[in-house]
Amino acid sequence: SQTIHQWPATLVQPVGSPLSLECTVEGTSNPNLYWYRQAAGRGLQLLFYSVGIGQISSEVPQNLSASRPQDRQFILSSKKLLLSDSGFYLCAWSVHIWSWSSYEQYFGPGTRLTVT
Amino acid sequence: AQSVTQLDSHVSVSEGTPVLLRCNYSSSYSPSLFWYVQHPNKGLQLLLKYTSAATLVKGINGFEAEFKKSETSFHLTKPSAHMSDAAEYFCVVSTRNTGFQKLVFGTGTRLLVSP
Repeated sequence: SQTIHQWPATLVQPVGSPLSLECTVEGTSNPNLYWYRQAAGRGLQLLFYSVGIGQISSEVPQNLSASRPQDRQFILSSKKLLLSDSGFYLCAWSVHIWSWSSYEQYFGPGTRLTVT
Repeated sequence: AQSVTQLDSHVSVSEGTPVLLRCNYSSSYSPSLFWYVQHPNKGLQLLLKYTSAATLVKGINGFEAEFKKSETSFHLTKPSAHMSDAAEYFCVVSTRNTGFQKLVFGTGTRLLVSP
């Protein structure tokens, strides 16, 4: 079966410090990968998605970047954190498809980031 | 563009009574729709999905949803609420792009269950 891991689970970082959040998926190959942010009391906002190694698409301009160095590894980074980067970050995966079919996404446990 | 509207930000029920969480969608083609649940400080778990098969979809934990094209609705129901159902629920529609799935989330409905 497939599993998705995120770490760390919680993180408190000062403004201006760097960030690296990691997501890994097990039990599947060539998944589509996604990073979302959930601000307090709000829905999920898609930040980045990736359909393959080294292929990253950004949904919104921001202070963050993403990388996919390996097939099942997805990393969210920042060089200098802002207060507004605080939130709950969720990684997700879905089956890689090349059709009009629709497949659900499976979410990791999330990382709670607090920027102080 | 696809979108979903969750009509209630909060719903309060008593344990053992029915649950109704409302969702309306907007889509230029036959949509794929999902309901996800999120317990506090946890990731999202898929409850059920509609992908143009049966209009009444059964999910986990006794939840079900009915796709009504004429009303553009996809409401989530459960006959009898349990305390463990207290959580945030998201109605989601997917876009139809080749190669990847892009999900559009509603703003969520917080379900409160009292003893």
